[in-house]
Amino acid sequence: GENVEQHPSTLSVQEGDSAVIKCTYSDSASNYFPWYKQELGKRPQLIIDIRSNVGEKKDQRIAVTLNKTAKHFSLHITETQPEDSAVYFCAAGGFKTIFGAGTRLFVKA
Amino acid sequence: DTEVTQTPKHLVMGMTNKKSLKCEQHMGHRAMYWYKQKAKKPPELMFVYSYEKLSINESVPSRFSPECPNSSLLNLHLHALQPEDSALYLCASSQVSGYGEKLFFGSGTQLSVL
Repeated sequence: GENVEQHPSTLSVQEGDSAVIKCTYSDSASNYFPWYKQELGKRPQLIIDIRSNVGEKKDQRIAVTLNKTAKHFSLHITETQPEDSAVYFCAAGGFKTIFGAGTRLFVKA
Repeated sequence: DTEVTQTPKHLVMGMTNKKSLKCEQHMGHRAMYWYKQKAKKPPELMFVYSYEKLSINESVPSRFSPECPNSSLLNLHLHALQPEDSALYLCASSQVSGYGEKLFFGSGTQLSVL
């Protein structure tokens, strides 16, 4: 079955710096790669997604890149703010969505 | 309405109890999901309903019994649970399933089994 690996497990950055989270997936049939943000005690919410026919997508301070050949995809957050502090999950989807283990991001003011 | 509503928000039950979790969406989505999330872990898929039919059961123990009475409602019936079943149970929905779709999550039911 699909396996999604996510790194790092914890990331601490200074406000204004960039944050990068990386994921790899195993199932070449996966065609959809969403990123979810989960704040403490809240539901996961989609922040950006990318499909397999696209290499990069950007939405304001957030961007995602996909390398289908290498089965890698990454989340880039620029100009981080304290409210970006949360757990971020990558996921790979096709028939079903499988989540990575999560990255706990701390943005220090 | 872009919300998935789950009730109750919190539930404490004994190992001999029977209880049900409820989930509702009015976005016209035809796929609904149950996920289990332990603290500091990712959501773990349990069941998928597509067009009101069970399409995926991730080898979940029979003490968890899902039900989809109609396209807007999803229930999870609980019976004879174990303490290790204590977790956050998340319901989600998407337009369809099987093609990689955005999931809309409910706020979850925090379940404690004593």
